[in-house]
Amino acid sequence: AQKITQTQPGMFVQEKEAVTLDCTYDTSDQSYGLFWYKQPSSGEMIFLIYQGSYDEQNATEGRYSLNFQKARKSANLVISASQLGDSAMYFCAMREGKGATGGTSYGKLTFGQGTILTVHP
Amino acid sequence: ETGVTQTPRHLVMGMTNKKSLKCEQHLGHNAMYWYKQSAKKPLELMFVYNFKEQTENNSVPSRFSPECPNSSHLFLHLHTLQPEDSALYLCASSLRGLADYGYTFGSGTRLTVV
Repeated sequence: AQKITQTQPGMFVQEKEAVTLDCTYDTSDQSYGLFWYKQPSSGEMIFLIYQGSYDEQNATEGRYSLNFQKARKSANLVISASQLGDSAMYFCAMREGKGATGGTSYGKLTFGQGTILTVHP
Repeated sequence: ETGVTQTPRHLVMGMTNKKSLKCEQHLGHNAMYWYKQSAKKPLELMFVYNFKEQTENNSVPSRFSPECPNSSHLFLHLHTLQPEDSALYLCASSLRGLADYGYTFGSGTRLTVV
């Protein structure tokens, strides 16, 4: 079964508008972490934002925010005021098990299929 | 400039060749990973190394042979590959226990097997 699902293969947004990229996940762990990465055409994976399963508030990093709905197991990425440079592939990922608090997690990430975002001028 | 450097950036090899991919980080991280990214597929974890010890082999064929001589360097030795092994190979590193702050990826090696 897919652990991370990104149902939007491609998304288009007008420059300066906001866009939401969807991500749902599946885990039976109580402690887990959710990540979003951006991959431009150069290939490098750029870390954007992180949400821990015990974090009560939604994570925000500049123009990026993570809409975390635990009961629905969704972790959507919201990009506000889109810029042309935001055009890229976006991946949602999950780390199961403990992270900063210790445990046996060695940082294994499970990735979704990705969403290609195109920002139009 | 990424903190994780991968070389070469592009590699074309025949099925009978032997080549190696190199990954280097000087971030003080102690966990390193190889991921494979094929077209239209999610990233697949291949190997995990912690403090130079391999802790995970995700059922990777033996034609891929990893090596981690120290916490800063990771290699992927390739031999008798198949055309379906053509993909982007990404190296990443993290600080064990602080993985919540993201994993640093390299820019990848785009491998084409002919």
